[in-house]
Order: sequence, then structure tokens, then C-alpha cells
Amino acid sequence: GENVEQHPSTLSVQEGDSAVIKCTYSDSASNYFPWYKQELGKGPQLIIDIRSNVGEKKDQRIAVTLNKTAKHFSLHITETQPEDSAVYFCAASMGYSTLTFGKGTMLLVSP
Amino acid sequence: GAVVSQHPSRVICKSGTSVKIECRSLDFQATTMFWYRQFPKQSLMLMATSNEGSKATYEQGVEKDKFLINHASLTLSTLTVTSAHPEDSSFYICSAEGTGGNTIYFGEGSWLTVV
Repeated sequence: GENVEQHPSTLSVQEGDSAVIKCTYSDSASNYFPWYKQELGKGPQLIIDIRSNVGEKKDQRIAVTLNKTAKHFSLHITETQPEDSAVYFCAASMGYSTLTFGKGTMLLVSP
Repeated sequence: GAVVSQHPSRVICKSGTSVKIECRSLDFQATTMFWYRQFPKQSLMLMATSNEGSKATYEQGVEKDKFLINHASLTLSTLTVTSAHPEDSSFYICSAEGTGGNTIYFGEGSWLTVV
């Protein structure tokens, strides 16, 4: 089955800096890669996703890049703000169904 | 965006009793819903996949007789934890996939505490 590795497990940045979280996946058949933000005690919230026919997608301060050859994808957050502090999960799936999640990255943005 | 609602958000039950958690897709029809369990500071663990009108598919190691899943309509799936024990205490989260097969959205989660 699919295996998703996520790094780093924790990331501390200063407000205004950029943050990058990286994930690798094992199943070359995976074609859907969402990123979720989870605040303490709440369910994950989809923040951006990318399909395998696209190499990069951007939504305001958030961008995701995908390298299918290397089987890795990354989340980029620019101009970080304290409210970006949360746990971020990457995931991979074939189609949109059963997601395999990474172990999560705790992002702390200090004012 | 699409909204998935879970109820209750928090529940405390006595050991040996059963508790039901509901997952509803509020503005779209969901042919498939997923139930996850999450322990503190850990990732989401898929428990089962729930398809409307058919039996749920459980992941290896998940007891289907203990975690009863019913997906009776295109907008509602329920998870019933039967004969709950303290080790069943956890954060349970559902997600739903639309009939068009598009992006999956998650509910807000339900905290279960078994005392």
C-alpha cells in the first residue's frame, strides 16, 4: 500500500518568514495530494490540493509543488502569520478516496 | 466550501455502554464517508470506509462488531462504539466524498471519553 513520509515533524519560524513542509510517497499510482491544517481539538481543514497532471498550484500565501518523477510534494507558506500555527498533514491517494496521511508537522509561528 | 458536520462534538459515557456519533454532509450528497481515529499528537488512522446502502469496509485490526457503521442515506453515516472501554477514548473524525468523486472534506471531530 501507499506510504507517506512527512518532514519536518516540527517547524518553528518567525512571523513573516516562509515555511516549507515536504512529503514523499511510495505508490507511483497516487494522483491526488491534498494538504490539511488541523488546529487543536478540531477536524482537519483542506487548505490546498494538487492533482498529478499539475506541477504547481498557488492560492494566495499557500502553494504546493509536485514532482511525480521523484514522488515528492511540498507545501510552501509565505509571509507566515501567528494564525498559521497548527499541525499540517499531507496525504496521497489514487483517485479521491482512501487517503494515506503523513505523520504531521507542527508549525509554530512566533510573533 | 462543502460542509461536513459531526455530532456530538464531545461525549462522555460510562464503561460498558454504547455511544453513537453522527456524520452529515450538509450541502452535498456523499456516496462514500470515512471514519478515522486520532490519538493525541498522532496522525489520522483510517478505521473504515462507509458506502451508502452497503456494508462498511473495515481496516485491518478494527473490530467491526465493536465499531458499527451505518450509512443509511447519502447525507448521513453513523459510528456506534459498542460496549465502550476507557481505551476507546479518542478523537473520532469523519470525512465525506461527493457523488462526483471530488475533494474530500472532514468533519469537526468528536471527542469520546469513556469513564
